[in-house]
Amino acid sequence: LAKTTQPISMDSYEGQEVNITCSHNNIATNDYITWYQQFPSQGPRFIIQGYKTKVTNEVASLFIPADRKSSTLSLPRVSLSDTAVYYCLVGLLIYNQGGKLIFGQGTELSVKP
Amino acid sequence: DTGVSQDPRHKITKRGQNVTFRCDPISEHNRLYWYRQTLGQGPEFLTYFQNEAQLEKSRLLSDRFSAERPKGSFSTLEIQRTEQGDSAMYLCASSLSRGAGEQYFGPGTRLTVT
Repeated sequence: LAKTTQPISMDSYEGQEVNITCSHNNIATNDYITWYQQFPSQGPRFIIQGYKTKVTNEVASLFIPADRKSSTLSLPRVSLSDTAVYYCLVGLLIYNQGGKLIFGQGTELSVKP
Repeated sequence: DTGVSQDPRHKITKRGQNVTFRCDPISEHNRLYWYRQTLGQGPEFLTYFQNEAQLEKSRLLSDRFSAERPKGSFSTLEIQRTEQGDSAMYLCASSLSRGAGEQYFGPGTRLTVT
């Protein structure tokens, strides 16, 4: 599974857009990029998954450049409740393939008033 | 609530004792996963089941750990002869096999070994 690198921590203010970038230089052709969010004392929660270009859902957008060696999770107009740890994962995690999730240390996002 | 549930939420035990945790997945999910998380780290994969078959076990899962999913529904994780290093949050997740990247996690069981 491809190793990922993301910032340890980030600070933001309410109402701002937050972009968290993840590097995955060794991503394989069949790998997908998946992001999870985790609040203290809770299990992680799936946010978004993509393969290339741009994916958007009601929570976030995921931008993936053509070479797929990095990806950016974009959170529009964050609020205090978006304070959490965000994990970037890369692997064959779609359809009947894969299974286990390999988490790194994640990015601890702190949103201030 | 039809999410993943885990029981107990907290467990304090003395070193050397055996403990068992239970996980009830989302009913239509055929895959069930166990992870362990220590403070400041991301969750670490332990094992997963597809229906009642245990498909993969991590090297982290020593001989003292055993997991079962007897009827392809709920699962149990047992730790025998607990050690202080076993203190962690034990997380259970479930998913459909066709969407293994989207796993639904339970609230976890926090184990403290004294």
